[in-house]
Amino acid sequence: EDKVVQSPLSLVVHEGDTVTLNCSYEVTNFRSLLWYKQEKKAPTFLFMLTSSGIEKKSGRLSSILDKKELFSILNITATQTGDSAVYLCALNAGGTSYGKLTFGQGTILTVHP
Amino acid sequence: NAGVMQNPRHLVRRRGQEARLRCSPMKGHSHVYWYRQLPEEGLKFMVYLQKENIIDESGMPKERFSAEFPKEGPSILRIQQVVRGDSAAYFCASSPRGTGSYNEQFFGPGTRLTVL
Repeated sequence: EDKVVQSPLSLVVHEGDTVTLNCSYEVTNFRSLLWYKQEKKAPTFLFMLTSSGIEKKSGRLSSILDKKELFSILNITATQTGDSAVYLCALNAGGTSYGKLTFGQGTILTVHP
Repeated sequence: NAGVMQNPRHLVRRRGQEARLRCSPMKGHSHVYWYRQLPEEGLKFMVYLQKENIIDESGMPKERFSAEFPKEGPSILRIQQVVRGDSAAYFCASSPRGTGSYNEQFFGPGTRLTVL
C-alpha cells in the first residue's frame, strides 16, 4: 500500500527563520509528488514534482525530489507569519490508483512575529 | 476563472438523516475527486469520477455512501442515514481533461458536516 510520512509533525519558528519540511514515501508505481498549503479551508497547490534533482521554486518556497531515496523536502526561507499553516505532501501513484492522491498527516508550521 | 465550488459550506444533520454535498469543478475540468478529513487526521481519498462514470471508488465506505457526476450539473456526494462518525470536512478537487500522466488537483473550500 502506498504510504506518505511527513516530519516534523509540528514546528514553531520566528519570522525570518528558514524551515525545511520533510516527506518520505513508499510506492509501487510513482507518478508525481505534490505539496499543498492548508490554512483554515481549501488546500492550496504549491508544487508538483516528477523528476529527481530538479528544484521547483516559487518566491521564498522551493522543493526538490529524490526518487532514489524516496523523499522530498519543502524549504521556506525568510518565514513570515502568513506562512503559518499545515503543509501537506501527497503522492500520486500509477496503475489503478492513477486518480488518487495519498496524503501524509501534514506538518503544522507556526511562525511567531 | 472561478475555482472549485462546494456547497453548502456547513451542514448540520441529525442521526439517520441524509446529507447531500455538491461540488462544481473548475471550468474546463471534467475529473472530480472527493476526500474526507476527519478531526485530527489527514485527507483520505474517497472516490474519483469523470462525467457519468465512477473511475475509482476504492476509498468509499461500502454502505450508505454514494457519488455521482452527471452529464449536466455538479457532482454529488450522498450520505444516507448519517451517524456521528460521519462528522468531518469533505473536500472536492478537480483536474483538467488531458493532463496526461500528471494529476494536479485543485481543491474546493470543503463542506463541514456535523451530525448531532
